[in-house]
Amino acid sequence: DSGVTQTPKHLITATGQRVTLRCSPRSGDLSVYWYQQSLDQGLQFLIQYYNGEERAKGNILERFSAQQFPDLHSELNLSSLELGDSALYFCASSVGGLNQPQHFGDGTRLSIL
Amino acid sequence: ILNVEQSPQSLHVQEGDSTNFTCSFPSSNFYALHWYRWETAKSPEALFVMTLNGDEKKKGRISATLNTKEGYSYLYIKGSQPEDSATYLCASRNTDKLIFGTGTRLQVFP
Repeated sequence: DSGVTQTPKHLITATGQRVTLRCSPRSGDLSVYWYQQSLDQGLQFLIQYYNGEERAKGNILERFSAQQFPDLHSELNLSSLELGDSALYFCASSVGGLNQPQHFGDGTRLSIL
Repeated sequence: ILNVEQSPQSLHVQEGDSTNFTCSFPSSNFYALHWYRWETAKSPEALFVMTLNGDEKKKGRISATLNTKEGYSYLYIKGSQPEDSATYLCASRNTDKLIFGTGTRLQVFP
């Protein structure tokens, strides 16, 4: 058990809809990272927050947004969903920055019908 | 090299064999190299984070080396066991983000 909790585990929705994925980091970790894993692709970095502030951005679409709350949990919001957004979305956390190991949640599998 | 590349893509070995695989990463603006072990239906689990050229790390039967000048890292597994079967991911930090390779899928047959 990594100590990182993601909910929900599975999400099925339709094109055009909006969903929110949630992540509670490991106790004591200040950084939260979001990744997308599509079929046959590696882990693609989306965005990082550190202690409530956005720290780095990857290839995150404008339709996607995220935030980290004062209690350090994070939410990833995906809107105007398209079929291509179907993927496994991982949250990871670490104590500090990118020279620290990341601890991954079990992921949220998003299926767009 | 602009991307993080791992080879081979997959590997099948017999129980007891030792094996190794490679991660190639950009050598410029290098900060850190991560290795993760990812079992099917689970989440990636951190193995090592290495930052210094020549660094070697070991965890049980698994060890890793780092060459930052030429941009590669090797992961070694001594005496492979069926429970070592997993995808091994490396990720390089060259800027403000980690770039992951697509992994080496290892299958160990009893």
